[in-house]
Formats: sequence, C-alpha cells, structure tokens
Amino acid sequence: SAVISQKPSRDICQRGTSLTIQCQVDSQVTMMFWYRQQPGQSLTLIATANQGSEATYESGFVIDKFPISRPNLTFSTLTVSNMSPEDSSIYLCSVQGGVTEAFFGQGTRLTVV
Amino acid sequence: RKEVEQDPGPFNVPEGATVAFNCTYSNSASQSFFWYRQDCRKEPKLLMSVYSSGNEDGRFTAQLNRASQYISLLIRDSKLSDSATYLCVVNAAGGGNKLTFGTGTQLKVEL
Repeated sequence: SAVISQKPSRDICQRGTSLTIQCQVDSQVTMMFWYRQQPGQSLTLIATANQGSEATYESGFVIDKFPISRPNLTFSTLTVSNMSPEDSSIYLCSVQGGVTEAFFGQGTRLTVV
Repeated sequence: RKEVEQDPGPFNVPEGATVAFNCTYSNSASQSFFWYRQDCRKEPKLLMSVYSSGNEDGRFTAQLNRASQYISLLIRDSKLSDSATYLCVVNAAGGGNKLTFGTGTQLKVEL
C-alpha cells in the first residue's frame, strides 16, 4: 500500500491566478498520476508524471495550463495556471502498483471565483 | 460511446436488501477491472478487483462477462455504511497503467 499526503485540501482562488498542488508519497514510485473530478463526474486523467522526464498529458490537457514537476520518486506537483471558473474541480494525485490497486491523495477541492 | 458506462442512480434501497450494479466497457482489449468506492468528499478506494472467474468478498460479489463486456457488483444484506458511490474502473486500451473510471453509481441504503 501507499500513503499519499496531498495539499492543500481546498482553496478558493481568484480567476487569472495559479495554484500549485503538492503530493508526497511515503515510498518511492516510478509513476504518479494526476486526475480531475468535476462536480458530479468521474475521474479524468490529466497526465502521468515520471521522475526525470516530462509528464505525458492526455487529450484535452496541455503543459502550459497544467505544468507538472516530478523532482524525485516520492514527490510531485501540479499547477493549475491562469485559472477560470471552469477549473473549479477536485484534483487528485495517485500512484499504482502496476495495473493493480490505485492509491489516491485526499484531493484538493478548488473553487475559482 | 463512453469507454466505461454506469447507471448513475441513485439506487435507494432498504437496509438488508440485495442490490446489483452493472458496468459496460467499450474496449475489448481491456485486461484489468475493478470496483472502487468513493464516499462523499473523499478519495476513491479499492473495493475489489474483478477476476474472470468471478470473486466474492463477504457480502460483495464481482463478476466479469468478457463476451458482453460488462462487469457487475452484487451487494447482499446492505448496510447503512454501504451508502457511497461505486466506481467501475478498467485499465485503459493498450494496457499499461492508465485507468479509466466510470461516472459511478450512487447507492443510498435507508432504514
């Protein structure tokens, strides 16, 4: 199993600003995943973050909007840039053991006003 | 067509009832299947993996039908604490570690 500490747990931000979300894992992992869960929706994968290389973004998500850092095997950040109200969502980081169980951080509930 | 489809519910059932959820997936190459549980304002957590032969864990039974590309979850003797959203999860097309989540089925167990 893995324990993931994600922060902040929630934030209210002004449009046009940026927010950086941090995830710390209690063990070394090769890949970390960032998801978005919009109200009433399921989880949508934003990108996969590998240590030592650029993140791989899913269709509809771009690096300029969601820059990701992965400085080591236990830590990653996701920045939501130039925010608009449409970015209001829950953002979750995740790690997996191969194709088996996925473990999630507690989520960051973002409201953009 | 969505990659993973679920009836969003809500399913309102009395305590002690048996309830079943179905989920369909579009990609026949999918290899791994899971049910996750998500409580309100919480992160998803694995409920159980779904194996080809079907598997049971206490009151919960999961089944996979590859021919029809659907997965089911059966909950017997529902408890109030079973109230949550149940997410059907499939590994993405082409394998690898990407997971595709259904929109979830909301269950409310009532007295």
